[in-house]
Amino acid sequence: GAGVSQSPRYKVAKRGQDVALRCDPISGHVSLFWYQQALGQGPEFLTYFQNEAQLDKSGLPSDRFFAERPEGSVSTLKIQRTQQEDSAVYLCASSPSLAGGRDTGELFFGEGSRLTVL
Amino acid sequence: AQTVTQSQPEMSVQEAETVTLSCTYDTSESDYYLFWYKQPPSRQMILVIRQEAYKQQNATENRFSVNFQKAAKSFSLKISDSQLGDAAMYFCAYMGTQGGSEKLVFGKGTKLTVNP
Repeated sequence: GAGVSQSPRYKVAKRGQDVALRCDPISGHVSLFWYQQALGQGPEFLTYFQNEAQLDKSGLPSDRFFAERPEGSVSTLKIQRTQQEDSAVYLCASSPSLAGGRDTGELFFGEGSRLTVL
Repeated sequence: AQTVTQSQPEMSVQEAETVTLSCTYDTSESDYYLFWYKQPPSRQMILVIRQEAYKQQNATENRFSVNFQKAAKSFSLKISDSQLGDAAMYFCAYMGTQGGSEKLVFGKGTKLTVNP
């Protein structure tokens, strides 16, 4: 596709369930980011990949959160034992730039996956 | 740690008028990038305008321009000739240049309403 694709768009989970959110970046983009956007807030950084290497995972809120990008393309964000505070929109963004897009501003966002934990 | 503050949770403007959205930030870095992103309802975030801190000239993109005041750490967005399609959440964001700082730091956003 032409843009960043995320699935599922909407996910309802019962507290304690595990969820997996998928991001298909634009083909050839080396940088991939995950952000968490709570209702009424700005996005907050979770983790950053350069190709298959996870260079920064400082934003992951707990060890229940895990992200991978094994072949340097598709990425999955996994949340184990979901809690109500995990309810948010999870945004994926990709860039052709090694500098995360700052040199050109070319950071492309997906439409997000809205997770609701009951 | 860097922080970004948007003090206006909501703003409104009449179609064809001009509106200014405020943003301040805090950083100890001397070189960095600032961005304004637009997020329409249920749509993806898109870049509106980008400013490099080492450039004194304010960035401009068609009807969108910024007022970058580095000493004051202020980065406001001016939208001229507002259109109905400009209605959205607007986020100010900061990105540093030191190693490992490719992440964006966002403000909480300003909801812009455009009245016909």
